[in-house]
Formats: sequence, C-alpha cells, structure tokens
Amino acid sequence: DVKVTQSSRYLVKRTGEKVFLECVQDMDHENMFWYRQDPGLGLRLIYFSYDVKMKEKGDIPEGYSVSREKKERFSLILESASTNQTSMYLCASSYRSGTGISNGGGYTFGSGTRLTVV
Amino acid sequence: KQEVTQIPAALSVPEGENLVLNCSFTDSAIYNLQWFRQDPGKGLTSLLLIQSSQREQTSGRLNASLDKSSGRSTLYIAASQPGDSATYLCAVIAADKLIFGTGTRLQVFP
Repeated sequence: DVKVTQSSRYLVKRTGEKVFLECVQDMDHENMFWYRQDPGLGLRLIYFSYDVKMKEKGDIPEGYSVSREKKERFSLILESASTNQTSMYLCASSYRSGTGISNGGGYTFGSGTRLTVV
Repeated sequence: KQEVTQIPAALSVPEGENLVLNCSFTDSAIYNLQWFRQDPGKGLTSLLLIQSSQREQTSGRLNASLDKSSGRSTLYIAASQPGDSATYLCAVIAADKLIFGTGTRLQVFP
C-alpha cells in the first residue's frame, strides 16, 4: 500500500517563526498536495505540485510557500507563522495520467499535522 | 464553479442498520469520484474510488455508485457497526483539483 508520511503529528510554534511541514510518499506519485482543514470550512487546497520543482497555487496560498526538490518529498513552509494558521494540515499524493492531474487515479492522504501557533 | 454537497450532515443510527449517504455535485464534467473516511483528529482514509467510466464500486460492506448525468453518488453501508462511526467525505476529481463535499458525520451506537 502506498504511504504518505507527514513528519509530525503535533506541532506548537510561536508567532513569527518559520515553520516547515514535511511530507514524503513512497509510491512514485507525480502529484502532491497540501490542504488545511478547519471546522466549518472543510478542506481547502493550499498548494499542489505535479512534478519536481513545479508548484501551483491552490485556493488559499497566502502566507505559505512550498518546495519540491525530490519527487517523493513535498514541503509546506510558513514563512512567518501567525495564529490564524493554527489548523490541521493534510498532505496527499496521486498518480497523474493524461494531460490533467489526477484524472486517472485516486488520492492518498497522510495522517495529518495539527499545528498550533501561539 | 463545482460545488459538492452531502446529505445528511449528521446521522445517528443503531447498530445493524443499512445506511445510505448521499453526495451531489453541480458539474457533471468530472473524472473520478472518491469516498473517504475521517476519524476525529486523523487523516483521510480512502474507501472507494469510482472512475468516470464506472457506475459503482464495492469493498466489503461498502458500495458506492456514480451517476454523472444526474450529478449524484451514493455510499451504501450494510449492517452498520459502532466502528463505522466517523465522518464520511466524498470528493470529485475534476480538471486539476480534488473538490470535497461538506461531509456526513455518522454515529453508530450499540
């Protein structure tokens, strides 16, 4: 079974800190994604990548950046953490087929990182 | 803009009942549809993936159907158990995005 591993289950950071959330998948998936999940707002896409060194903005990219230097690893960076970035962060990956992303396969999610910014 | 809605928002049933969870989407131009389960404080676990050319998928006590023309998918859970208690999310895969429904919170009591 494909696995998506997020490096931390729980993180507590101070306002203004630079925060790195790491995600690694072991199934050679082309596509990787970062979502955040908040009560009442559901899952919202922050950034995604369909190839090494490629990145695309999702619906809520403000305050975040990403890095994909290797195919298996996709990092989410909070340049200067703020309290409104307290949330559950979920990483996902999938195969890509055809000309669009994810039109051939399903998504696999990691177990999530609960980030609290104080 | 694609919108995905799930009904009911919450459901509480006694053990042993057969359940139907509904998912509707506004744009039928989707590639696939995927059902997930999420336990409190945890990540998403994939339950079933229905390719756009398929009409249903089955895994154990779960059966999911897809009717693209009417913009609907149904997740059927047979003989529910307390361990089925979780939030169930449907998501459509269209263009370059996975678009989630609003979720159904299920509680199965003994």
